[in-house]
Parts: sequence; C-alpha cells; structure tokens
Amino acid sequence: EIALTQSPGTLSLSPGERATLSCRASQSVSSSYLAWYQQKPGQAPRLLIYGASSRATGIPDRFSGSGSGTDFTLTISRLEPEDFAVYYCQQCGSSPGTFGQGTKVEIK
Amino acid sequence: VQLVESGGGLVQPGGSLRLSCAASGFKVSNNYMSWVRQAPGKGLEWISVINSAGNTYYADSVKGRFTISRHNSKNTLYLQMNSLRAEDTAVYYCARQFRYYYGSGSIDYGMDVWGQGTTVTVSS
Repeated sequence: EIALTQSPGTLSLSPGERATLSCRASQSVSSSYLAWYQQKPGQAPRLLIYGASSRATGIPDRFSGSGSGTDFTLTISRLEPEDFAVYYCQQCGSSPGTFGQGTKVEIK
Repeated sequence: VQLVESGGGLVQPGGSLRLSCAASGFKVSNNYMSWVRQAPGKGLEWISVINSAGNTYYADSVKGRFTISRHNSKNTLYLQMNSLRAEDTAVYYCARQFRYYYGSGSIDYGMDVWGQGTTVTVSS
C-alpha cells in the first residue's frame, strides 16, 4: 500500500497570500494518478486537480498542481476567502487508492 | 449529475446496515463507483469500488464484512455493511470515479462526483 504524507498539517495564511501544500508518496506514483481535493466543513470533498496538474471542471486557475515520482505540490496563487479549507491528495494508480492525511489552510 | 446517499443511522456493534446511493444524470452501470468514509475529525478512507464490469474491490479494513453492489434499473449503488464495529463510525460518501479511456486501457483520475454523505454511528 502506498502511503501519502502531506505537509504541513496546518497552514496559517492571510487572504491574498500564496499557499504551497506538499504531498509525498512512500513509493513512486505515476503523475497520471495523483489527485487533489478540497473539503469544507460539513461538505463532501471536491476534485480540484487530476493527473497531478490538470484542473477539474470549474476550478479557478489560481489552483495549480505539479510534481512527479514521490513529490507533488498543490499551489494556490492568491488565497480567496472561500479557499480556507482542508486539502487532500490521493493516489489512484495502486489499490487501495490511498489519501493523504490532509492539510488545513486556515486564516491567519 | 448528482449522487444522493441514504440509509445511515445508529446501529449496535455487530449489527448491519445498508446504504444506498441514487444517481441521476449518468448511469452507475457505465462507471466505476466507490464508497469513501470519513471518521469524525479524521481524513478520507477509500473502502470499496465496483467497476463497470461488476468486479468489486475492498479495503482490508472492511473486506469480508462489507459488500458493494448496484441495481442498474434503479441506477443505484449500495453498500451492505455487516458485523459493524465502533471503528466503522463515519460519514460514508459514494463517488464516481473519473476515468479516461484510451485504446485498450484507462486511467483513474480520481473522484469527480460525490454524494452529500450519510452518517453511520456504531454504538451500544
């Protein structure tokens, strides 16, 4: 089973700042199989990024993904008030499709 | 395109529960469909998937106790949960797998449609 470790656990930032979230895999993951989700309290997760770097339908371009192998990054270029949430990475290439433990982006 | 779960509730340890996930706007039978759960205050855990051919797969944590199935004419996904334990307490989500098909293969890109979740509490 591939383990995903996200860092930091919590990111305290102000609106307008840049957020950089990390997801590290215990073994190599094909870029095609790395996804990022956003989850707000009381809501289901929402797919943000698939294939490591492709934005899902309707996702604003301030969200971007990058990385390969074992190291992947989600970047939010300028935080909007609605972006404060928990973010999860997931690898979809090896069963089970494991998730990272999440990074909470909170208002500073 | 929508998924609506139902069937959650309070159940005693050792008991059973069946969750339903009604789809609209697309066919469950044509897609890979998953169940994902989230324990209180915790992260996401994938627990089961059924593919378009009807093959099923489970996380080790639920294997032998949970069964995923679908009813094509009702366009509904199910999760039968038996021998429930306190650690099964969670919000359960159904989700559609977003897959890209090419030639003879496919790529799993993640889960692009999610239900709102249904809460299962296992407690005496």
